[in-house]
Amino acid sequence: QSVLTQPPSASGTPGQRVTISCSGSSSNIGGKTVNWYQQLPGTAPKLLIYDNNQRPSGVPDRFSGSKSGTSASLAISGLQSEDEADYYCVAWDNSLSNWVFGGGTKLTVL
Amino acid sequence: EVQLVESGGGLVRPGGSLRLSCAASGFIFSNYWMHWVRQAPGKGLEWVANIKEDGCETNYVDSVKGRFTISRDNAKNSLYLQMNSLRAEDSAVYYCARERFDPWGQGTPVTVSS
Repeated sequence: QSVLTQPPSASGTPGQRVTISCSGSSSNIGGKTVNWYQQLPGTAPKLLIYDNNQRPSGVPDRFSGSKSGTSASLAISGLQSEDEADYYCVAWDNSLSNWVFGGGTKLTVL
Repeated sequence: EVQLVESGGGLVRPGGSLRLSCAASGFIFSNYWMHWVRQAPGKGLEWVANIKEDGCETNYVDSVKGRFTISRDNAKNSLYLQMNSLRAEDSAVYYCARERFDPWGQGTPVTVSS
């Protein structure tokens, strides 16, 4: 059971907007920044969002991040077939002195 | 181009040892914290350990404390993970990653089985 809770699955049709949540606590998301990663099948994860809502260069602006209290969200607008992947959130946990990943969300583009 | 390349994975018996390496290039290695993250087959990502720029501070997930040791050689731009007393549940693809988990290497698979 992951310290950060994500829905195991999400889906949408091309062009739709989908959001993926990441729920934590005051010892992690509540006091630290959140990053988001995309893992395409058979590949290593790739950074999508850092510091809650910052996009690295090269990441389309269809991807956006937000944080409120002890929860964070990743939003993908204008959904495309190539967005079908696993998505993970991560944050530092002060109580555990560990980095903690969410369990991951498998996004299906219908 | 920033690049991380892991090596050293393989098949090992329970109780055995393995040393993973991660060769870094395209950036000033000694300026960054580095991580090891693993992913068991069909499972999610699990952070394993990290090490400060100068190697003087390390952190581990509880499940590997006392068995795994992370280290680095800044002169060789290399990160290491010494894994001892391996268990079946340590079987996973092991990735190295730079400070904010960006970028990641391609991963090296470790299988612990008799």
